[in-house]
Amino acid sequence: EVQLVESGGGLVQPGGSLRLSCAASGFTFSTYSMNWLRQAPGKGLEWISYISGRSDTIYYADSVKGRFTISRDNAKNSLYLQLSSLRAEDTAVYHCARDQVSPRWFFDLWGRGTLVTVSS
Amino acid sequence: EIVLTQSPGTLSLSPGDRATLSCRASQSVSSNYLGWYQRKPGQAPRLLIYDVFSRATGIPDRFSGSGSGTDFTLTISRLEPEDFAVYFCQHYGSSPLTFGGGTQVEFK
Repeated sequence: EVQLVESGGGLVQPGGSLRLSCAASGFTFSTYSMNWLRQAPGKGLEWISYISGRSDTIYYADSVKGRFTISRDNAKNSLYLQLSSLRAEDTAVYHCARDQVSPRWFFDLWGRGTLVTVSS
Repeated sequence: EIVLTQSPGTLSLSPGDRATLSCRASQSVSSNYLGWYQRKPGQAPRLLIYDVFSRATGIPDRFSGSGSGTDFTLTISRLEPEDFAVYFCQHYGSSPLTFGGGTQVEFK
């Protein structure tokens, strides 16, 4: 089955860190660009990071630049997001999403998401 | 940043009805780079439409997209029970890409 499954969310204190994972299956993971997006409670979706298939191109939204790090392991069919210096406003459901082989910036496969709550 | 405003917020309809959902952009969306997604509780979002008109793989032809510039529409010609969900639009013609707030299609 073609799917993405996120994990690693949870409750973390302000200033803390967390590592999210996204397990891909059913397709040739290494050939696709991947992204992380998030949706805070009561707000719309926000794109936060992009990584190319070979990890040679990476982008971040200004809201997370310098605090979050995207990476992937194609041998393990996995995408990661390292979250650091977390703030209350980072509380959200985090989704991984697949772009096209040549990035088009719309997403044809999403995971259900993993909830990150930043609170003391 | 392009702000996408969706209306109505909620659409109350019955199976077999036609649904017309609007997505209005605060400035023109270049190259008609606009898409639509469906989201059901507890499920992953699903791509329905990209490039305004093009249906994603496996999407039934009762779903259609139209529009240009700043005004876009998703039409569901005859609602099936499985179509009751939240729909949101996304532009990807410029940075940053942004999403609309969504329209909920609910049972009347």
